[in-house]
Amino acid sequence: SQQGEEDPQALSIQEGENATMNCSYKTSINNLQWYRQNSGRGLVHLILIRSNEREKHSGRLRVTLDTSKKSSSLLITASRAADTASYFCATDGGAQKLVFGQGTRLTINP
Amino acid sequence: ETGVTQTPRHLVMGMTNKKSLKCEQHLGHNAMYWYKQSAKKPLELMFVYNFKEQTENNSVPSRFSPECPNSSHLFLHLHTLQPEDSALYLCASSQGWGPETQYFGPGTRLLVL
Repeated sequence: SQQGEEDPQALSIQEGENATMNCSYKTSINNLQWYRQNSGRGLVHLILIRSNEREKHSGRLRVTLDTSKKSSSLLITASRAADTASYFCATDGGAQKLVFGQGTRLTINP
Repeated sequence: ETGVTQTPRHLVMGMTNKKSLKCEQHLGHNAMYWYKQSAKKPLELMFVYNFKEQTENNSVPSRFSPECPNSSHLFLHLHTLQPEDSALYLCASSQGWGPETQYFGPGTRLLVL
C-alpha cells in the first residue's frame, strides 16, 4: 500500500482560520515533503523536512515531524482563498524515489 | 509555474492513434520523471531518468514508451492506449536522482476515446 496517507481527505474552513492536515507513513524515511496542487495543474513544492528535524516554518506554513509516530502535520495559518488546493505529502521510505499520498483537498470559504 | 514545461496541455486521442507528450526543463537538473495522476488514486511514478539513463520503470505497459534524448528533454510516446489510460500526465525534474525536491510541469490532460 502507499507510503504516505493524508488525513482528512477533504477539509473546508472559513477564510482566516487555520488549516491542519496530517500525513502518516509506514517505513523509515530520510525526509518528508509537502506539495500543493491547484486543480488540474502540476504540483508545487512547499517544504521539505528531514528525519532529524522536528519542526520547520516557511511563511504561513508550519510542518512538524514525529518519527516515533511516523506522522507529519502541515499547518496553514490565517488561511486565504488562494490556499484552496490539494495538499500531498511525499516520503522516500528509504528508497531512491518519492511516494505520494492521495492528498487532502482543502477549500477556503470566503 | 516552475521551469518545467509540458506540451500539449490537453490531448484527445483514439485507441488506435499514436501521439507523444513532451517535457522540457530549464533548471539544469539531471533527473526527470513521468507520473500518472488518475482520479481518486495516488500519484503513480511511471519512469525515472537520471543523466539520460532510465533508472526506474514502474511496471508500465509497453504502450507507453519513454525517451530521454538529453537531460533537458523527456518524451512519452503513446500508442494503442486504452480508455483507462485517460489521466493527467505530469513531468517533473530534480537536481539529482533520489528523494529530492521535485519541480513539476503543468501536466498534459489526456483523454482516450
